[in-house]
Amino acid sequence: KAGVTQTPRYLIKTRGQQVTLSCSPISGHRSVSWYQQTPGQGLQFLFEYFSETQRNKGNFPGRFSGRQFSNSRSEMNVSTLELGDSALYLCASSLEYMGQLNTEAFFGQGTRLTVV
Amino acid sequence: KNQVEQSPQSLIILEGKNCTLQCNYTVSPFSNLRWYKQDTGRGPVSLTIMTFSENTKSNGRYTATLDADTKQSSLHITASQLSDSASYICVVSPLNDYKLSFGAGTTVTVRA
Repeated sequence: KAGVTQTPRYLIKTRGQQVTLSCSPISGHRSVSWYQQTPGQGLQFLFEYFSETQRNKGNFPGRFSGRQFSNSRSEMNVSTLELGDSALYLCASSLEYMGQLNTEAFFGQGTRLTVV
Repeated sequence: KNQVEQSPQSLIILEGKNCTLQCNYTVSPFSNLRWYKQDTGRGPVSLTIMTFSENTKSNGRYTATLDADTKQSSLHITASQLSDSASYICVVSPLNDYKLSFGAGTTVTVRA
C-alpha cells in the first residue's frame, strides 16, 4: 500500500514568487491536512480538506490557500512568498478527520521550502 | 500561549537507558491525545493514541500514560536504541472542535 506522497521534496524560491505543493494521500483516504513546521514554532495547522471541501482552517494569512481534487489529491499554494515562509510543509492523510477518535493519520515526508 | 507544553525541549541519553518525556495540556474538554515520533527529514509517525478514559498505552518499547485529572501525559522509552533518536510530538484533539493542538516536541538523542 503506497504511503502519502509529497512533491517536490525540496524547493528554493525567491521572495515575491508563488509556489504550489502537492500531496497524494493514501488510496481511499478522503481527508488531507496541511501543516507548516519550523524549528521555533513546531507544527502549525494550515487547513484540512475532506471530499474536495475545506472543513477547517488555521490562523494563516490569505496568501496560503489550498484545494482538493476529486481523486483526493491536494495542492497547497503560497503566493507572494516571504522569508518567514521557509519551512517544512507536511500533509497528513486519513480516512476521516485526523483528530477524530480512532482515526489514524499518516504523514508524508514533507516539502522543504526555502525562500531567499 | 500554547495549549500543549512539552518538556524537556531536548535530552541526551546513553543507549540502553530509559527516559521519560512530559506533555502538559490545557485543552478541555479533549477527545484524545497522541504521541508522534519524527525522524529528521521525515514526517511524523504515530506511536500511541489515548482517549480521556485510558491511563496507559504501549507500543513496543514506548509506553504512554495519561492523567486526565492533572492534564498530563508522559512517554516512556525503555532500553533506548540509537534509532530512537528523533523528535517526539504530543498532539491533543479537543472534543467537538477540529483544531488540534501540537506541542513543540522533545528532541531525543541516543548515544552509543
